[in-house]
Amino acid sequence: GESVGLHLPTLSVQEGDNSIINCAYSNSASDYFIWYKQESGKGPQFIIDIRSNMDKRQGQRVTVLLNKTVKHLSLQIAATQPGDSAVYFCAEWRLSDKLIFGTGTRLQVFP
Amino acid sequence: GAGVSQSPRYKVAKRGQDVALRCDPISGHVSLFWYQQALGQGPEFLTYFQNEAQLDKSGLPSDRFFAERPEGSVSTLKIQRTQQEDSAVYLCASSLYGTGANVLTFGAGSRLTVL
Repeated sequence: GESVGLHLPTLSVQEGDNSIINCAYSNSASDYFIWYKQESGKGPQFIIDIRSNMDKRQGQRVTVLLNKTVKHLSLQIAATQPGDSAVYFCAEWRLSDKLIFGTGTRLQVFP
Repeated sequence: GAGVSQSPRYKVAKRGQDVALRCDPISGHVSLFWYQQALGQGPEFLTYFQNEAQLDKSGLPSDRFFAERPEGSVSTLKIQRTQQEDSAVYLCASSLYGTGANVLTFGAGSRLTVL
């Protein structure tokens, strides 16, 4: 079957710990960013988004931080659960033209 | 249905065969996107429709790839004379708005294996 994340960087965390997934984006003109979660055999699923006029946005158990100076995004997941195991992608809208995905990080949660 | 539906979910083709992959976007969504996801990589943009108009096809890897959305709803991605390097998951996504950055909702994908 589809093996998303076969060659991707992997972050391993223990259940209950907080997870931080980092992403560097390439285009300083990008104005909108989205984090997606992809489980094996499924399409990417929206988690949280942030526009370039913000530095931080919080959702349920997730927080996204944006540092435009160094073109860096991070996704923080609080109290990581086994169901959070998946591949996580950051994606950037370049000039509202098209959505470009990063390379992804595989999150493994251990009991 | 409530989500983006893609068919077939799995397709095995012999090299040289033509394939057609179908996408049913969320009803009322103006924009439709096709992405290609190779094993272990992130999705890569192929093409974009606003209603029936194909506004961007810059990501299509060769002239063997063709996409259409004739009535502004269902879309078909066709690959002619398939090659082994075409093996990938083909993802379709739709969004409510026709312009501007917004959230894309993805289907589960069609996994193509070319032997």
